Amino acid sequence: EVQLLESGGDLVQSGGSLRLSCAASGFTFSSYAMNWVRQAPGKGLEWVSTISGGGDTYYADSVKGRFTVSKDNSKSTLFLQMNSLRVEDTAVYYCARASGGTTITGARWGQGTLVTVSS
Amino acid sequence: QSVLTQPPSASGTPGQRVTISCSGSNSNIGSNYVFWYRQLPGTAPKLLIYKNNQWPSGVPDRFSGSKSDTSASLAISGLRSEDEADYYCASWDDSLSGQVFGGGTKLTVL
Repeated sequence: EVQLLESGGDLVQSGGSLRLSCAASGFTFSSYAMNWVRQAPGKGLEWVSTISGGGDTYYADSVKGRFTVSKDNSKSTLFLQMNSLRVEDTAVYYCARASGGTTITGARWGQGTLVTVSS
Repeated sequence: QSVLTQPPSASGTPGQRVTISCSGSNSNIGSNYVFWYRQLPGTAPKLLIYKNNQWPSGVPDRFSGSKSDTSASLAISGLRSEDEADYYCASWDDSLSGQVFGGGTKLTVL
């Protein structure tokens, strides 16, 4: 069974840093692109970042230069290093597996982890 | 302002057929797959349609997806009260080099 389990969400002050993790199981982690998607309170879904199976990375303009996505294939774990956090980064952050053969988020999502940035 | 445009709301009565539109451009829907998700409050989104018109395992064929040029649609037939949720479309945008979502459509079952 495919499972994605995020961790690392917390309350942090503006300008601070946080590292999210996503432990994956039940599939060949290195063969899939992985995504981070966030949802601010009461708002819609916003794509944050993608890392391909081969390690290519992509970022939304809103986080480029501040967030870094990485992965450890040996541990089937996805990471999101978030620096220079802003109040507007407050959201539930979901780790999600891309649909096979694409970079677009598919059927497998984690439960989400809440990041709250205070001023 | 989302790259993909969806109506903010839609409604229907039980048993009806409703459609939700998703409008984009040549750099996203026009050249890439469209995916559809449903989200209930407080839960992670659930994939309804992938690669324009494919059903994931477990999704009933009451849900169907279509794409034409730079627009896509999600149709829900035999509307049920449990279909009341937020619906999102998504695609990849070649110009932005990233995934893009629609703003979401809140479906109300009257």
